[in-house]
Amino acid sequence: QVQLQESGPGLVKPSQTLSLTCTVSGGSISSGSYYWSWIRQPAGKGLEWIGRIYTSGSTNYNPSLKSRVTISVDTSKNQFSLKLSSVTAADTAVYYCAREPTYGSGRPTYYFDYWGQGTLVTVSS
Amino acid sequence: SYVLTQPPSVSVAPGKTARITCGGNNIGSKSVHWYQQKPGQAPVLVIYYDSDRPSGIPERFSGSNSGNTATLTISRVEAGDEADYYCQVWDSSSDPYVFGTGTKVTVL
Repeated sequence: QVQLQESGPGLVKPSQTLSLTCTVSGGSISSGSYYWSWIRQPAGKGLEWIGRIYTSGSTNYNPSLKSRVTISVDTSKNQFSLKLSSVTAADTAVYYCAREPTYGSGRPTYYFDYWGQGTLVTVSS
Repeated sequence: SYVLTQPPSVSVAPGKTARITCGGNNIGSKSVHWYQQKPGQAPVLVIYYDSDRPSGIPERFSGSNSGNTATLTISRVEAGDEADYYCQVWDSSSDPYVFGTGTKVTVL
């Protein structure tokens, strides 16, 4: 059973960079069968996709966040990471990492089958 | 950008059927996925590709998609089904992964 676990600081100061890591267990991040995404959810609000990475290092980002987001992968540690720069209070949210199968029934899936438990990041001075 | 609209809340008595709609322009041409999120927990995939159920999801959960509306149906509702439910699609013309506004299901 694959498990994902987010880790990182729970408090970040405005204008600084938010950094989170997702550790994958129960499966290899290098399998090539999955994309690995970051998704966030402000308190009491809906879900927002931030971006994803493939084992090769290829990335896709939400256009609304693209200028501030960097997602990277460390296959030796079975981890992938998120950096979000120039944060403001609007970036306060629970951040989830999630897995997306690349293909299902012969077509791209575009859904998330496993999620981490989430980690709350608060932007405040 | 592509917008998915859900009713904010749905109330249902135990044993009855809950129907949660997800409206979007020509959503019937897209694959719709549904997630259940209980308080303080991560979302769980309950329906993918409009109507397929992941392993471990009860048959009481079903989905359909046509025209401008996708629907998640929960039959024989139980107290444990009380949660927020989100629809999701992929749209190449906007924020690629689009989530609905979410529906809170309350079991009376």
